[in-house]
Parts: sequence; structure tokens; C-alpha cells
Amino acid sequence: NAGVMQNPRHLVRRRGQEARLRCSPMKGHSHVYWYRQLPEEGLKFMVYLQKENIIDESGMPKERFSAEFPKEGPSILRIQQVVRGDSAAYFCASSPSGVTFGYTFGSGTRLTVV
Amino acid sequence: GQQLNQSPQSMFIQEGEDVSMNCTSSSIFNTWLWYKQDPGEGPVLLIALYKAGELTSNGRLTAQFGITRKDSFLNISASIPSDVGIYFCAGQLDQGAQKLVFGQGTRLTINP
Repeated sequence: NAGVMQNPRHLVRRRGQEARLRCSPMKGHSHVYWYRQLPEEGLKFMVYLQKENIIDESGMPKERFSAEFPKEGPSILRIQQVVRGDSAAYFCASSPSGVTFGYTFGSGTRLTVV
Repeated sequence: GQQLNQSPQSMFIQEGEDVSMNCTSSSIFNTWLWYKQDPGEGPVLLIALYKAGELTSNGRLTAQFGITRKDSFLNISASIPSDVGIYFCAGQLDQGAQKLVFGQGTRLTINP
């Protein structure tokens, strides 16, 4: 009974490269959320997706960031042309029906841009 | 944007002591949640509060949802070494909203 699986756990990218972060929700969960955590700060909402639909992307930067949750496969958070300020921990959460108390977080992907 | 002000930022206590931390906001929240984050891991839900004035316990943890819906506290009684970590409050602004607003966290350190 695996929880929310995120990979990779650690990712190092040079400035200008692309970063792809993957999230497999818990079995039976069709709602996925992405959050970003800068060092010594709380988590900040980025985007909420259901299968094949972006429901709320109000926390996503306007440029370089995109997210998808295809019919088959994991949800992907994609950051193009990374900059040093993108270095952070990115957490994915899932829930069965979009109800907030049903959030389960993954262990996160730590992105370092060098 | 909406902010949750969490205090204190850090606490250094002796094992066995009780701990209290709180969260305040200028906005009214529909739901308050308390999470714990261990190093290198994602947050884990401790307690969820849904009604103003609600007082809920989970083992040695007790949390209350303020009457004004703008604040909450978390108490930990008789702290033990595994309580070490960062505690976050989080709020859901609207009943239909699916995103959480997080506080800045309280880092708890326990001296054995």
C-alpha cells in the first residue's frame, strides 16, 4: 500500500537546463497538488490537477513552469530553463476526492540549481 | 496574499516538558490543519479542525480552532525525543478551495 511516490528524491541541474519532477499519487487518488518549499519556509501552493485537467494553477509562476496529470502515468511538474531561485523542495500531495483533509504528501524532490 | 503567522519560530525544551505553539491570521479560515515535518520528508497530518471553537486531541497532542476562525493553537504534552521536527499550521480559506495556506513553521528541539 504505497504512499505518494515522488522521484527523483534529489535533482541537480545547471542553470538553463530543464527539470522534470514526477509524482505518482496513492492508489485510488485522482487529485494531485504540487507545493514548493524554500529553505526555512512553509509550503506554498502551486497547482491542483485532476486527471487530464488543471483545476487551479493560481500559484504557478507565469513562465517556465508547467504541470500535467495525464490519463495514464504520473503527474509531472516541469521547469524549463531553471535558475538558481528555483532551488527548493517540491512536494506533491494526493487525495481521493479533492477534500482537503484527505491530503497525503510525498517525501518531495529536492532541486538544486548550480 | 493570505498569511498565517506562526509562533514561536523555534523552541528549545527539555524532554518531558509541555509545548505550546500558535497560528494567527487576519483572514477567516474554514479549516485548520496541523502538520509535522521531519528532516528530508514531507509533512504528515497531525490534527484537523473544522468548526470554530473545536478542541481535538490525538494522543499527547491537543489543538483548538479559535472562535473567530482566525487562529489556532497546538499543545504537546510530556514531550519525547521523537517530537523533534518542524510543526506547520495550514488553513483552507474557503470550503470549496482545494489549496492550503501554510505558516512559516515552528522548529522544535528537545534536550534529553
